[in-house]
Amino acid sequence: KQEVTQIPAALSVPEGENLVLNCSFTDSAIYNLQWFRQDPGKGLTSLLLIQSSQREQTSGRLNASLDKSSGRSTLYIAASQPGDSATYLCALPNQAGTALIFGKGTTLSVSS
Amino acid sequence: KAGVTQTPRYLIKTRGQQVTLSCSPISGHRSVSWYQQTPGQGLQFLFEYFSETQRNKGNFPGRFSGRQFSNSRSEMNVSTLELGDSALYLCASSLNGDLNSGANVLTFGAGSRLTVL
Repeated sequence: KQEVTQIPAALSVPEGENLVLNCSFTDSAIYNLQWFRQDPGKGLTSLLLIQSSQREQTSGRLNASLDKSSGRSTLYIAASQPGDSATYLCALPNQAGTALIFGKGTTLSVSS
Repeated sequence: KAGVTQTPRYLIKTRGQQVTLSCSPISGHRSVSWYQQTPGQGLQFLFEYFSETQRNKGNFPGRFSGRQFSNSRSEMNVSTLELGDSALYLCASSLNGDLNSGANVLTFGAGSRLTVL
């Protein structure tokens, strides 16, 4: 059974710092992995989706990498801003592709 | 293009009551999924509907049910509410529900926040 773990659970950084969020999974037989952002009390916003054939995806200041063999993905945020404060979740499909399995998330706080 | 719309956004119920939540998917999306989010358990899959049929179900009791209409709109119902049902209920839609295909990215709504007193 696939399990997804995100470390750390919470992170506080000053504005301008580069940071890395980690996501690990137990079953490397995956097709893709997705990173989401969730603002307090709100729904999920998709940030990046990495296909299993890709090693990384970039969108603006965000870069996500995927290493299937080690069961790890990282989300790199460059030059963090207070507006980046949110919970970041990684998720990947179950084996049948019928539902997403989520990590518990990393809550990021960027102070100005 | 309108996103996934969920109503109501907030509601308060008492134990034993029932509740119905509504979700309108993105136009053209035929698959609708529901997830429950709680501080303790995180995000958990409830069920998925496609063409008015429930195709997949998570590990939740029978008090949790849903349906999908011919226009792909979906409702979920929780009967005999318990305190532990307090959660953010998120609806998501995709083209056909095959999440192993990169073309089927789930798009989430803003959620319905249920508080059970």
